[in-house]
Amino acid sequence: SAVISQKPSRDICQRGTSLTIQCQVDSQVTMMFWYRQQPGQSLTLIATANQGSEATYESGFVIDKFPISRPNLTFSTLTVSNMSPEDSSIYLCSVEEVGQNNYGYTFGSGTRLTVV
Amino acid sequence: AQSVSQHNHHVILSEAASLELGCNYSYGGTVNLFWYVQYPGQHLQLLLKYFSGDPLVKGIKGFEAEFIKSKFSFNLRKPSVQWSDTAEYFCATWMDSSYKLIFGSGTRLLVRP
Repeated sequence: SAVISQKPSRDICQRGTSLTIQCQVDSQVTMMFWYRQQPGQSLTLIATANQGSEATYESGFVIDKFPISRPNLTFSTLTVSNMSPEDSSIYLCSVEEVGQNNYGYTFGSGTRLTVV
Repeated sequence: AQSVSQHNHHVILSEAASLELGCNYSYGGTVNLFWYVQYPGQHLQLLLKYFSGDPLVKGIKGFEAEFIKSKFSFNLRKPSVQWSDTAEYFCATWMDSSYKLIFGSGTRLLVRP
């Protein structure tokens, strides 16, 4: 299965600043997704990162707050802008894998963000 | 839209006990169901998935799940848990037919030695 490298693994940021999280995949993938996992909660889909076009955001998430780039089929970034303590979460990158005998989703190890 | 719900938020078992974690899905056409596990400090791992065919699905680490259409359920089972099974377990499905994976609220399992 695909191997995802997500950076940084953790960060502590001041409120009002922005953080960009990188997701690098070792193979070309069509679908890439960004999730948020707030403390003690499940995963919530933020957006689908589309290669060569604007990301598709889920209800409750907007581009101004979470701009996403997807310059090619192996890389994407998520920026958390103008951060507040409520943005403290784990942010995860995920890719869809479609193989001849296998189908599924692989997740990165996540970025643990603390906003102070 | 498809969704999944997990009603057991916390489960505590002793080693060697049998496990069954509930997952109910809402019908929305094609059913695709997954179980993921998140061990403490680690990333999500796929345990098993169901798309079609045999409703009894066997996954890794001795886990299995049964798709019961009449009950809209896809419960996760393991006959004998180990301390190392302590983790959070998530049931998931596709959102609509968009290939976007959405998750249930998760079940935290604590296995006491």
